[in-house]
Parts: sequence; C-alpha cells; structure tokens
Amino acid sequence: DGGITQSPKYLFRKEGQNVTLSCEQNLNHDAMYWYRQDPGQGLRLIYYSQIVNDFQKGDIAEGYSVSREKKESFPLTVTSAQKNPTAFYLCASSQTGGSPLHFGNGTRLTVT
Amino acid sequence: SQQGEEDPQALSIQEGENATMNCSYKTSINNLQWYRQNSGRGLVHLILIRSNEREKHSGRLRVTLDTSKKSSSLLITASRAADTASYFCATALVTGTASKLTFGTGTRLQVTL
Repeated sequence: DGGITQSPKYLFRKEGQNVTLSCEQNLNHDAMYWYRQDPGQGLRLIYYSQIVNDFQKGDIAEGYSVSREKKESFPLTVTSAQKNPTAFYLCASSQTGGSPLHFGNGTRLTVT
Repeated sequence: SQQGEEDPQALSIQEGENATMNCSYKTSINNLQWYRQNSGRGLVHLILIRSNEREKHSGRLRVTLDTSKKSSSLLITASRAADTASYFCATALVTGTASKLTFGTGTRLQVTL
C-alpha cells in the first residue's frame, strides 16, 4: 500500500535535547511538508520541500531544521531552540502543485 | 497565519441529520480543500474546489465556494455516527510543484445515534 509513514507514534524527550522525527513516503511525490498541530488548533506549516536537496521555511520554522537527501524521506529535527516543542507533528506529501495532501498519522512529541 | 476560520467550532447532531460547516478566508487562493481528522490521527482529504468553481459534490458531501465573499461551506447529508471527527478547510496557494496550504481551526462534529 502506498502511503506516508511517520515514526515513532509517541516520542518523549528532556528539555534541551534535539530530536528527529522520521517521515517516509512511497507515493513517488515530489513535494513534502511538515505541519505542527496544537490542541484545538489548526495546522501550521513548518517547512516544505518541492524537490530533493531543496526546502523552504513555512510560517513557524524557527527552532526546526529539515533535510531532503532522498525523494522518499523528509526528516524533521526539533532543536533545543524551539521554545514550545510539545505538539502533534504531521508529515504530508503531494503529487503536484495544487493537488491534495496525503498525511501520515503523526508523531506526538512531549518535551519535559 | 491562520487564514481559514471555521464556524461553528463544534457541532452536535443526530444520525440522519445534515451537518453544515462554514469557512472564511482572507486572501486570494488557487483552490480550497476540506479535510477530515479522526482523533489522534492524520488528516484525510475529502474534496477540492478550484477558485473558478462554485459548487462540487462527492457522495454525501457538497461544497460551495464564494470567492467574492471569501467563504466556503461543507454540507454532509444524512450524517452517520462514523462521520464524527474534526473537519478542516484549507486554502491552497500553489508555488511551483508544492501547495502551501493554510488551515483553519476546524469544526468538531459529533454525530449521535
């Protein structure tokens, strides 16, 4: 089955530690995205990538970093510079500009 | 910035009734999309309406778009308990091969038996 795999489902970290969230897709989509969702809120765009070795900041990129070394993979690192990292993180991909997004099932990150 | 604002924030109806959710946005768009999210899960795309379309149907879903009022509505007819979820509108701005989607805060729909 084609889709997006995010791992792990739950992640716990101590404050001050960097943590990397995994996102893999086998849909052969060019574009990939990272969104953050806080309780009772909509999604906010962190970073997106249109092609391998290229990515752009979204609305809330501060404290996050990404890489796109392979078409299938778009990992997100939450750095210690992110002031409020506890959230639900969603990865998505799309086939072309304007087409719908396919989402993974998210990683819930808790930082204490 | 949150472009789409949904109304109502929460909606509770009985099975068989229709559910209507509204979305307003602020700037020009290429298309508007509606997504569904079950608790603790990712979002699932429901329907996409282009900026030059006024109405679209898909099964029990009907979406309207009024670009002059910068608003859209999602109607779910003959609702079922399985429709219980949060529903989000998202406005799309196409940049190259990507779609920059801006999501609203969502409507939580509860369908009771």
